[in-house]
Amino acid sequence: DAGVIQSPRHEVTEMGQEVTLRCKPISGHDYLFWYRQTMMRGLELLIYFNNNVPIDDSGMPEDRFSAKMPNASFSTLKIQPSEPRDSAVYFCASGRPGLAVGEQYFGPGTRLTVT
Amino acid sequence: AQSVTQPDIHITVSEGASLELRCNYSYGATPYLFWYVQSPGQGLQLLLKYFSGDTLVQGIKGFEAEFKRSQSSFNLRKPSVHWSDAAEYFCAVGVTGGGNKLTFGTGTQLKVEL
Repeated sequence: DAGVIQSPRHEVTEMGQEVTLRCKPISGHDYLFWYRQTMMRGLELLIYFNNNVPIDDSGMPEDRFSAKMPNASFSTLKIQPSEPRDSAVYFCASGRPGLAVGEQYFGPGTRLTVT
Repeated sequence: AQSVTQPDIHITVSEGASLELRCNYSYGATPYLFWYVQSPGQGLQLLLKYFSGDTLVQGIKGFEAEFKRSQSSFNLRKPSVHWSDAAEYFCAVGVTGGGNKLTFGTGTQLKVEL
């Protein structure tokens, strides 16, 4: 059974450019979470979806960040325009009812570098 | 609101030695508790979980954790550490009504000396 898939694994872009990160959750999982990890701030929850609907986006840092989940098997996190301080590792995770509350399975992450 | 504290930022142990990583949580009811491990350049992998029943839970890679309600703790243990256990370990709590969200601790970086 495939785990959470994220692409690209690495992204280097220049300040001001648009960045799109992609995630495919585990089949049958109806929760999807986007996290950001930095040395300074640790692991931060940005937004999460349930049944493709955004439930809590209070962690999204600015209007430059947006996330969508057009169907149960695909989600995107977009940053436009990107800034150097957005450099981080972005993780996607998924979960489903029936697991322990909060039990999530993480993808390998996308390392974003904004120059 | 719930919170998780991992008091040790870094821990160094010798290979073959026993390990205990500390985790304290704050939550009014019985929480759902997790330990995740993150190897360098990798995502987080679920090691073990507790949500009811036996307070001593077994996980993958020979790890175990004990839930102690009286101490609000969920410490992770391993009797004999292997060099491949070097990684960052995160304790996390999920709460009912929290929409399946997790609150993570700040992590403990484990170094294993050969």
